[in-house]
Amino acid sequence: KNEVEQSPQNLTAQEGEFITINCSYSVGISALHWLQQHPGGGIVSLFMLSSGKKKHGRLIATINIQEKHSSLHITASHPRDSAVYICAVRSNSGNTPLVFGKGTRLSVIA
Amino acid sequence: ETGVTQTPRHLVMGMTNKKSLKCEQHLGHNAMYWYKQSAKKPLELMFVYNFKEQTENNSVPSRFSPECPNSSHLFLHLHTLQPEDSALYLCASSQVSGPSYEQYFGPGTRLTVT
Repeated sequence: KNEVEQSPQNLTAQEGEFITINCSYSVGISALHWLQQHPGGGIVSLFMLSSGKKKHGRLIATINIQEKHSSLHITASHPRDSAVYICAVRSNSGNTPLVFGKGTRLSVIA
Repeated sequence: ETGVTQTPRHLVMGMTNKKSLKCEQHLGHNAMYWYKQSAKKPLELMFVYNFKEQTENNSVPSRFSPECPNSSHLFLHLHTLQPEDSALYLCASSQVSGPSYEQYFGPGTRLTVT
């Protein structure tokens, strides 16, 4: 069974801090997604990656396929980064749906 | 309008009511999805439609009935729901259904069953 674990579950940071959110999964995957969900509920896709590293603005996502682990980093965090960050993976065995982690709730305080 | 829209944004219904949730995507995608997000639980996939055909039903109770009249519109018909069905229902779309295609999410409908 494909399980996705995120840590930490909750994170409070001061504005400007460097933030890391971790995601571990249990099976071989074809893709990993990082999503951002704001308090209103809408979800925005941040990254989709299958190897290496991607960067977009202050956000960086890395993945280590051998260790079945991904990290999402936020540099120079800002209160507007406050949201739930969700990791989701798709197994590489057959046509399987995305499996989601429970999310990491981030609060950035000014 | 662009992206994925959902209506209504909030819905309160009794257990004997019948209501429908609507999702519309303006991205030219061919795959659409319904997800359920309950408090303190991960997102759960409910249904997948690819080119208007249902390709996945993730053991969803029959009180939830999806309908996909065309690639741009997806409905979720609700009847005789239970209080535990209260949740955020999210619609998403992607170019087609497959591992390499990014999903774009709507804002969700927050459903309360009383």
